[in-house]
Amino acid sequence: AQSVTQLDSHVSVSEGTPVLLRCNYSSSYSPSLFWYVQHPNKGLQLLLKYTSAATLVKGINGFEAEFKKSETSFHLTKPSAHMSDAAEYFCVVSDLEDNDMRFGAGTRLTVKP
Amino acid sequence: NAGVTQTPKFQVLKTGQSMTLQCAQDMNHEYMSWYRQDPGMGLRLIHYSVGAGITDQGEVPNGYNVSRSTTEDFPLRLLSAAPSQTSVYFCASSRDTDSYEQYFGPGTRLTVT
Repeated sequence: AQSVTQLDSHVSVSEGTPVLLRCNYSSSYSPSLFWYVQHPNKGLQLLLKYTSAATLVKGINGFEAEFKKSETSFHLTKPSAHMSDAAEYFCVVSDLEDNDMRFGAGTRLTVKP
Repeated sequence: NAGVTQTPKFQVLKTGQSMTLQCAQDMNHEYMSWYRQDPGMGLRLIHYSVGAGITDQGEVPNGYNVSRSTTEDFPLRLLSAAPSQTSVYFCASSRDTDSYEQYFGPGTRLTVT
């Protein structure tokens, strides 16, 4: 069965500085990996996904993530944080073994002016 | 397209009461699922369906029933509500089980007293 660990429950950055949200996964097969964002009192929105194509994946709002099989990681980055990036971010893994998705516990991103 | 819709947005139940959370999608998606979101635990899969007439259990199915009589609708039934079921419930759908790019509804906030 697959699982995912988000290494930080809370990350705080200043506006204009880089963002790094860390995610490690465990999967028996070739996984599909996703990052979702949830703004306060809203549903979840897909930021980006990896499904065995290019290992560097670009998403919406300037975010990108790199799939590193040797490190079993799928960290989310953004060069310059905006105030509007403040939200909860979820790393998600799925594979062919289990017909479902497994969510990480989430990382809350705070952006300071 | 309305996307994925959920009703109600908020609900308060007494212990032992039953109710149905409604979920509908108008994207002709085969795959639908229900998650609950609790603080610090990410989203956990309750039940899912890969098509009309087919349902299966997820990670935390106890206390919940589902059915899928049409492609569009996927209601979640709480048989006898318990305080442990206080949570935010999200319904999601996706085109198939390969890409797992899920579209989420706005959520239902349920409180059981």
